[in-house]
Amino acid sequence: RKEVEQDPGPFNVPEGATVAFNCTYSNSASQSFFWYRQDCRKEPKLLMSVYSSGNEDGRFTAQLNRASQYISLLIRDSKLSDSATYLCVVNMGGRRALTFGSGTRLQVQP
Amino acid sequence: SAVISQKPSRDICQRGTSLTIQCQVDSQVTMMFWYRQQPGQSLTLIATANQGSEATYESGFVIDKFPISRPNLTFSTLTVSNMSPEDSSIYLCSVETSRDRAYEQYFGPGTRLTVT
Repeated sequence: RKEVEQDPGPFNVPEGATVAFNCTYSNSASQSFFWYRQDCRKEPKLLMSVYSSGNEDGRFTAQLNRASQYISLLIRDSKLSDSATYLCVVNMGGRRALTFGSGTRLQVQP
Repeated sequence: SAVISQKPSRDICQRGTSLTIQCQVDSQVTMMFWYRQQPGQSLTLIATANQGSEATYESGFVIDKFPISRPNLTFSTLTVSNMSPEDSSIYLCSVETSRDRAYEQYFGPGTRLTVT
């Protein structure tokens, strides 16, 4: 079983749609959770840290369910510029290094 | 966040040679990391670059193949030694910063390595 699992997609959605990505992690001792965005041939960029209470940043909402070891990202009112690969990232068992999921590809279409 | 640069941005190397990649950050950071992203794959941690001591390597990565230096709090190098085509990959450094008592990592632009 992978340490961080994501649906690879691709998710093809029209502009203005709402799309949700899910991620599960295997290590119950994980302490920090993140969503990164990676554009083609670019480095990953931090989109959001994910907190236990859930957090929102504009059109983006992240949720964490520790009991189910599950993280989600919701994107509302999708824009063409949201097209990218979204990486679920976990800090496993208190280590400072990150473990990456394989990414979920989003393609927003006009 | 921090401003991170890497050199070179890309290189094409012959098998059996070595390449040293530099990572520079615009502020002092305690934790720096080196990752690899093979074609079509996600990121895999190679090692944690510790200032003033030897790097800590992940399973499957060894110092002889990927020697790392960390001479100060703003700079690190990763060498890919005795390269083979399987080493063709993007190599990324990252730095850890703290915000609101939480740690976040930011990545350099990466070095795209092709071994022929």
